[in-house]
Amino acid sequence: SQQGEEDPQALSIQEGENATMNCSYKTSINNLQWYRQNSGRGLVHLILIRSNEREKHSGRLRVTLDTSKKSSSLLITASRAADTASYFCATENTPLVFGKGTRLSVIA
Amino acid sequence: DTEVTQTPKHLVMGMTNKKSLKCEQHMGHRAMYWYKQKAKKPPELMFVYSYEKLSINESVPSRFSPECPNSSLLNLHLHALQPEDSALYLCASSQGPTSGANVLTFGAGSRLTVL
Repeated sequence: SQQGEEDPQALSIQEGENATMNCSYKTSINNLQWYRQNSGRGLVHLILIRSNEREKHSGRLRVTLDTSKKSSSLLITASRAADTASYFCATENTPLVFGKGTRLSVIA
Repeated sequence: DTEVTQTPKHLVMGMTNKKSLKCEQHMGHRAMYWYKQKAKKPPELMFVYSYEKLSINESVPSRFSPECPNSSLLNLHLHALQPEDSALYLCASSQGPTSGANVLTFGAGSRLTVL
């Protein structure tokens, strides 16, 4: 299975701190995506990083990809209470397969 | 319009009922998906339609029957479900297999409870 494995499964931080989530996967990929899901709602696409890219930024998000280690990390800087959600990595050859997710709690 | 709209938001049905979940998008996307998500689990792919044809069926039981009447609409017909089928059902769409990257736009989901 290409399913990614996020680490940690749950993370609780104070507002203003940085949050780092990791994703490991097993097979070669075309790209890797990160999605956010607020409780009981649909997923929202955050960022896509292609297999030939090493780092990508979008606002307070920074994603890295290490294809030699088959791993990716998502860094959220200066976290806010509104960042409380589950975060999933998704690996793609076709179709997208979601990892198990990290549940992030940001405490005000 | 950048949304995927799912109806109903909540559905309660008995094991002998027949019901349908509906999904609509007007972004011109040519691929549409059904995912099933249990609590605290990742979404699990059920079906993929590409250019209105069923391209992937992830060995889903026949009590779930997908239908894609046109490029904007996707239905999931439900019949003789079991209580363990209770879950959040998510519809998603993407530009399609020729886009180069499969970025999904999700609906808010339909919360299904089977009694």
